[in-house]
Amino acid sequence: ETGVTQTPRHLVMGMTNKKSLKCEQHLGHNAMYWYKQSAKKPLELMFVYSLEERVENNSVPSRFSPECPNSSHLFLHLHTLQPEDSALYLCASAGTSGGGGELFFGEGSRLTVL
Amino acid sequence: AQSVTQLDSQVPVFEEAPVELRCNYSSSVSVYLFWYVQYPNQGLQLLLKYLSGSTLVKGINGFEAEFNKSQTSFHLRKPSVHISDTAEYFCAVTRGDSSYKLIFGSGTRLLVRP
Repeated sequence: ETGVTQTPRHLVMGMTNKKSLKCEQHLGHNAMYWYKQSAKKPLELMFVYSLEERVENNSVPSRFSPECPNSSHLFLHLHTLQPEDSALYLCASAGTSGGGGELFFGEGSRLTVL
Repeated sequence: AQSVTQLDSQVPVFEEAPVELRCNYSSSVSVYLFWYVQYPNQGLQLLLKYLSGSTLVKGINGFEAEFNKSQTSFHLRKPSVHISDTAEYFCAVTRGDSSYKLIFGSGTRLLVRP
């Protein structure tokens, strides 16, 4: 399998549930990203991991908890979410954490919070 | 800090007509510029990028963009569009000093009509 794979593609959860989004990249990249895409809003950078260390946490509420156990895997743990957290969550990877590196995106996980 | 403005939220055009999608950026430092495309129910895919050199950049699917430093613009063009070009297009910028932080515009929906 190649590219960036996200699971699940669709997730419906209640406000008291705990769930996780998973991202896996098979490109040998060393930087991984979580973006949030809401309707009619620009893509919001949530977290960046470079060489398994978090280098960016863009004022994201603590109900979102990222985990990067190795350079190929990235998780987003979700708990006590709010309806306004419903969005498409996109994972991306890059061959370098530096500029000029193209981001490769997964197809996203569509999250609905009831 | 960098920012990106895509003035047109939606651009309707007839098939085989030319199209231009506008992108303006602001930055006090040198930048790298990107255009990404998102087809329905998919992640983002790189169309083209400007890092340095020639200001006219050619990408996939017949698209091209021109970097204009004095106008701080990076408009995307295609001389003749197809129905299959219907998608959301995102302009993005990152600092040219190895920054990992890619900032996206709000997107322009290109709607190609027969």
